[in-house]
Amino acid sequence: AQKITQTQPGMFVQEKEAVTLDCTYDTSDPSYGLFWYKQPSSGEMIFLIYQGSYDQQNATEGRYSLNFQKARKSANLVISASQLGDSAMYFCAMREGPRAGGFKTIFGAGTRLFVKA
Amino acid sequence: EAQVTQNPRYLITVTGKKLTVTCSQNMNHEYMSWYRQDPGLGLRQIYYSMNVEVTDKGDVPEGYKVSRKEKRNFPLILESPSPNQTSLYFCASRDTAPGELFFGEGSRLTVL
Repeated sequence: AQKITQTQPGMFVQEKEAVTLDCTYDTSDPSYGLFWYKQPSSGEMIFLIYQGSYDQQNATEGRYSLNFQKARKSANLVISASQLGDSAMYFCAMREGPRAGGFKTIFGAGTRLFVKA
Repeated sequence: EAQVTQNPRYLITVTGKKLTVTCSQNMNHEYMSWYRQDPGLGLRQIYYSMNVEVTDKGDVPEGYKVSRKEKRNFPLILESPSPNQTSLYFCASRDTAPGELFFGEGSRLTVL
């Protein structure tokens, strides 16, 4: 069964520094997608970045990059040059490919990031 | 503007009083789903729908019903709400690939 684990309930980072949010996953399907979402205090869910299991390069979107280590089944989110507006809850998520149904996206428990001025 | 719209955004109700949370998307997505968010548990899928008249259970379907009569709408029905259904609910839709979810703004439900 697929599973997502985020082991850091909360993290602090100094403004302008980089921070890594950990995510490990478990699946038996060779085809899957990994996602990160941000949830600010206002409550909405914002898509940040996507990594496909067959993608050779790590995904990047502006200040966000995904450190994808397939053999270790980890998909850590790296935020460079943290800003105060990055303070939020961050969720790692995974969707298995068509062979496993591909209809469910499961989420980790989340990591709350606090950016200090 | 591409969006997923949920209503109501906030609702306080009492045990046993049937309620419906509506969800509508304007992106022509075939796939829609409902999640509930609880502290420490992340988002858990309640039901999902692959297309009109095609729905299936997620991980926590007990106490909920859904229907998909039109492509754009996917209402969540609580026939007899109980206090353990107090939660933040999200409706989401997605395209086929890469398949990121587009979320509604959330509906905070309190069952007394």
